[in-house]
Amino acid sequence: KAGVTQTPRYLIKTRGQQVTLSCSPISGHRSVSWYQQTPGQGLQFLFEYFSETQRNKGNFPGRFSGRQFSNSRSEMNVSTLELGDSALYLCASSFSPDQRNTIYFGEGSWLTVV
Amino acid sequence: AQSVTQLDSQVPVFEEAPVELRCNYSSSVSVYLFWYVQYPNQGLQLLLKYLSGSTLVKGINGFEAEFNKSQTSFHLRKPSVHISDTAEYFCAVSNYGGSQGNLIFGKGTKLSVKP
Repeated sequence: KAGVTQTPRYLIKTRGQQVTLSCSPISGHRSVSWYQQTPGQGLQFLFEYFSETQRNKGNFPGRFSGRQFSNSRSEMNVSTLELGDSALYLCASSFSPDQRNTIYFGEGSWLTVV
Repeated sequence: AQSVTQLDSQVPVFEEAPVELRCNYSSSVSVYLFWYVQYPNQGLQLLLKYLSGSTLVKGINGFEAEFNKSQTSFHLRKPSVHISDTAEYFCAVSNYGGSQGNLIFGKGTKLSVKP
């Protein structure tokens, strides 16, 4: 079956713009989480959604937001982009938020802010 | 709060040699433990996980890890590495039985296998 699909894979934005990234989880998975990966800070948790509800949020400013739709697809949005937002954004899905379930990651969306 | 420390940022090793990637964690509660691998320009792939039971966990690609509660460690080992094992490896923890499903990752260890 298809894995976690993230679009777009690569994008370049200018400071001050906003960006929306999309994630389609594995079929049947209802839990989606987002992570930011940078060389300096490593992998950091952004948010977690389950059944269209945000269950958990990492320590990021309010410029970072997300949502989940009824079909479990998720989007994250970053407004007023800063150079430091340049990163690989990874989406992950699992059957439910139970940590015993295997979490599957997508290939990520590479965001460059210039 | 939980944290994960991967003691080596880079590990060079020759092909067919054994390797150990070290991981220590800190937590005031019980945790689940994971090792993920990331190949260049790809996402993360689960190698293995410790949930409970036997402290020696076997994963994919010939990797195994041992959970040591007293030393709060979860080191990853492979008896004989291949060129194709060159990648970045991440150790992660999550709350045991908690309501939060997020993973807390270490900074990663880059394994470089030389011929």
